[in-house]
Amino acid sequence: DTGVSQDPRHKITKRGQNVTFRCDPISEHNRLYWYRQTLGQGPEFLTYFQNEAQLEKSRLLSDRFSAERPKGSFSTLEIQRTEQGDSAMYLCASSLSTGGMRTQYFGPGTRLLVL
Amino acid sequence: AQKVTQAQTEISVVEKEDVTLDCVYETRDTTYYLFWYKQPPSGELVFLIRRNSFDEQNEISGRYSWNFQKSTSSFNFTITASQVVDSAVYFCALAPSTGGFKTIFGAGTRLFVKA
Repeated sequence: DTGVSQDPRHKITKRGQNVTFRCDPISEHNRLYWYRQTLGQGPEFLTYFQNEAQLEKSRLLSDRFSAERPKGSFSTLEIQRTEQGDSAMYLCASSLSTGGMRTQYFGPGTRLLVL
Repeated sequence: AQKVTQAQTEISVVEKEDVTLDCVYETRDTTYYLFWYKQPPSGELVFLIRRNSFDEQNEISGRYSWNFQKSTSSFNFTITASQVVDSAVYFCALAPSTGGFKTIFGAGTRLFVKA
C-alpha cells in the first residue's frame, strides 16, 4: 500500500506564472484534501473532494486557485498569476469516508517559491 | 468558532527527559475528532493518534501517551524518555463531525531533543 504522493516536491517560479501541482491519494481513499502551510504555522484547509465532487472551498482559495479531481482519483491544484504571497508548502491528504473514519494521511507536500 | 491552541512554540529537552506538549481546543460541536501529527524535518505530516469526543480514555502507545480531558478542552501529548529522533514539529488538530470535514490545526510545537 503506497502512501499519498505529490509532484513536484519543489517548484520555483516567477511572479505572474501559472503552476500546477498533482496529488495521488491512497488508492482506496475517496476523500482528498488540499492544505497550505506557511513557515511556522500549521496547515490551513483549502478545499476537499469526495470522489470527483469538490464539496468545500475555503475563503483562502482565491479566484486564482482552482482544483480538480476529474475521475475521482488524482487531483490537481493550479495557481494562476502567482504572487509572492503564494509561497508556501502545499499539502495533499486523503481519507476514507465510511464508518466515521476521518483520519487524513498526508503526502510529502510541494514547496512553492515565487520570486 | 473552532480553534486549536498550542501555547508552547518551542520546547528543548535533553534525551531521556519526559516532555508534555499542550493542546487546548474550542468547538461548539458535541461530536468531533482530535488528532496529533508529527512533522519531521523532511516535511511530511505523520499521523500519530485520533480520538473522538465520546472517548475520553487516555491512551498509551510505547513511549507516547495522550491525556484527553473534555472538561478542560485539552488533549495533551506526553513523550516519555525522549530520544533525538523525536525532534520534530508536533501539531494538534480538530475535525468537527458536522458541517464539513476540514481539519483545523494548531500552530505546532517544535520539539528539540538534545543528546
